[in-house]
Amino acid sequence: DGGITQSPKYLFRKEGQNVTLSCEQNLNHDAMYWYRQDPGQGLRLIYYSQIVNDFQKGDIAEGYSVSREKKESFPLTVTSAQKNPTAFYLCASSIIPISYNEQFFGPGTRLTVL
Amino acid sequence: AQKVTQAQTEISVVEKEDVTLDCVYETRDTTYYLFWYKQPPSGELVFLIRRNSFDEQNEISGRYSWNFQKSTSSFNFTITASQVVDSAVYFCALSGGGQNFVFGPGTRLSVLP
Repeated sequence: DGGITQSPKYLFRKEGQNVTLSCEQNLNHDAMYWYRQDPGQGLRLIYYSQIVNDFQKGDIAEGYSVSREKKESFPLTVTSAQKNPTAFYLCASSIIPISYNEQFFGPGTRLTVL
Repeated sequence: AQKVTQAQTEISVVEKEDVTLDCVYETRDTTYYLFWYKQPPSGELVFLIRRNSFDEQNEISGRYSWNFQKSTSSFNFTITASQVVDSAVYFCALSGGGQNFVFGPGTRLSVLP
C-alpha cells in the first residue's frame, strides 16, 4: 500500500535533548512537508522540500532542522533550541510542489517534552 | 498575505441533523485553490475536496456538499444527515501562487447518537 509513515507515534524527550522524527513516503512524490499542530490551532508549516537535497524554511522553522538525502525520506530534528516543542507533528507529501496539488498526510507523531 | 478563518471552534449536533462548517478566506492571488480536510481522532488528515478559484460550481459527494462563493470569499462545507463517524476536526486550507498551504484553525464537529 502506498502512503506516508511516521515513527514513532508517541515520543517523549527530556528538556535539552535533540530528537529526530521519521517520515517516509512510497508515493514517489517530489515534495514533502513538516507541520506542527497545537491544540485548537491549525497546522503551521515548519519546513518543506520540493526536491532531493533542497529544502526551505516555513513559518516556524526556528529550533528545527531537516534533511532530504533521499526522495522517500524527510526526517525532522527538534533541537534543544526549540523553546516549546510539545506538539503534534504531521508530515505530508504532494506529487509536485504546485499549489493545486493536494497534500497527503501521515498519521503524525505526538512529541512530549518532560 | 493569505488567511483562512473558521469562526466555529466547536459544533455539536445530534445524528441525522444537517450541519454547515464555515470557511472564509483572504488572498490577493487571482488563481488559488481551496481545500477541505478531515482529521479523525486517529490524527491523520484526510483530503476531502479541492476547488480552484475559477470554478464556482457547487459540488456534492454523497452526504457532503460544498458551496464556493467568490463574492463573499467563502467555501462552506455541509454534511447532510450527519453520522457519528463524521465526528472529527475539519480544516479548510488555501493555496495560491506561493505554493504553500495556509490552514484555518479547524472546526471540531461532534455528532451525538
